[in-house]
Amino acid sequence: NAGVTQTPKFQVLKTGQSMTLQCAQDMNHEYMSWYRQDPGMGLRLIHYSVGAGITDQGEVPNGYNVSRSTTEDFPLRLLSAAPSQTSVYFCASRQLAGGPTGANVLTFGAGSRLTVL
Amino acid sequence: AQSVTQPDIHITVSEGASLELRCNYSYGATPYLFWYVQSPGQGLQLLLKYFSGDTLVQGIKGFEAEFKRSQSSFNLRKPSVHWSDAAEYFCAVGLRSNDYKLSFGAGTTVTVRA
Repeated sequence: NAGVTQTPKFQVLKTGQSMTLQCAQDMNHEYMSWYRQDPGMGLRLIHYSVGAGITDQGEVPNGYNVSRSTTEDFPLRLLSAAPSQTSVYFCASRQLAGGPTGANVLTFGAGSRLTVL
Repeated sequence: AQSVTQPDIHITVSEGASLELRCNYSYGATPYLFWYVQSPGQGLQLLLKYFSGDTLVQGIKGFEAEFKRSQSSFNLRKPSVHWSDAAEYFCAVGLRSNDYKLSFGAGTTVTVRA
């Protein structure tokens, strides 16, 4: 059981370049989300999805796009990277039914460190 | 406005000493409460969670947390820290009406000295 897998682990971009951060989970979780982590600011929610074909904006969505064509995958796209998007990105997923009880808690990937020059 | 506050940015503690990390929240109703730990270069791991009932919650790695409704707090404690407890700790909350979207505090970095 691989859990939540993020690729790449590290990426350096130039301003204006585009790229996609990949996130895949093999736990059949309906809910998937992307956070960015910046020093002194904790984790902030970028986008989330409660199922295939359904996405919504979080706290800091500007500059990012997402799609959810399958239950397993939730890619995060940067269409035109900016230095302000230099951050560590985390994908997290959870089963929706039953609330956050027992083992049904948000599971995080290992993170993707992005640097925009 | 809803918020999660971790007042301490950085705490240094001696190995074997006790540790307490503070977390305060500002929500209209009692939310679900969580503590996560992030070791250097790693993702986040859940330490413990509070939903209802007993206000003292036990977690993994010898950690516990106490929910105090009157103070809107959910402080994390460990009686005796180990060098491996050096990490960043995040308090998180989720609304009961929308429990999958967690809001995180800014984090507290814990350094353990020998």
